[in-house]
Amino acid sequence: QKEVEQNSGPLSVPEGAIASLNCTYSDRGSQSFFWYRQYSGKSPELIMSIYSNGDKEDGRFTAQLNKASQYVSLLIRDSQPSDSATYLCAVIGNNDMRFGAGTRLTVKP
Amino acid sequence: EAGVAQSPRYKIIEKRQSVAFWCNPISGHATLYWYQQILGQGPKLLIQFQNNGVVDDSQLPKDRFSAERLKGVDSTLKIQPAKLEDSAVYLCASSLVSPEQAFFGQGTRLTVV
Repeated sequence: QKEVEQNSGPLSVPEGAIASLNCTYSDRGSQSFFWYRQYSGKSPELIMSIYSNGDKEDGRFTAQLNKASQYVSLLIRDSQPSDSATYLCAVIGNNDMRFGAGTRLTVKP
Repeated sequence: EAGVAQSPRYKIIEKRQSVAFWCNPISGHATLYWYQQILGQGPKLLIQFQNNGVVDDSQLPKDRFSAERLKGVDSTLKIQPAKLEDSAVYLCASSLVSPEQAFFGQGTRLTVV
């Protein structure tokens, strides 16, 4: 069983729409959760972190965490073509960070 | 603040050859990670250092991969001998203490032919 799972996509949304990215994890003891954005040929960059159940908003991004369901999601409001990238879910368990395979998002003008 | 520096950016070698990658973390960052990212996959942790000690190397193929972090600053990752399946981007990241707020370097793209 994969430790961190994401739909690989591609996920395609029109400009201005809400993009919803989902992630599940297997380690129930995980405490910290991150979303990284990775443009093609570039290294991952951190865009959101969340540690407690509920929602956390930062600009157009909202991270949602449900530890009981072992589920974390990222919503991108008013999607822009510049948001087109691969979004990596990362989970900390046992003090190391494990990544999902990423979801490729395309925002069409 | 300077970022994580890695070199080389690209490397092409033949199978069974050796290769080494270098990483200089952000100044003051005690924790350093090496990840392997195969095309279409997420980064896979190979080894994690806290200062110059190894915290986790459970996914490092120790028969061919080795890594060191002398003096708790720079780090090198070596592959000897390389296999075709080692073709990937090798990412170095650093953070102050825990994996939180880890910053990545630009990576080294390795092609084994």
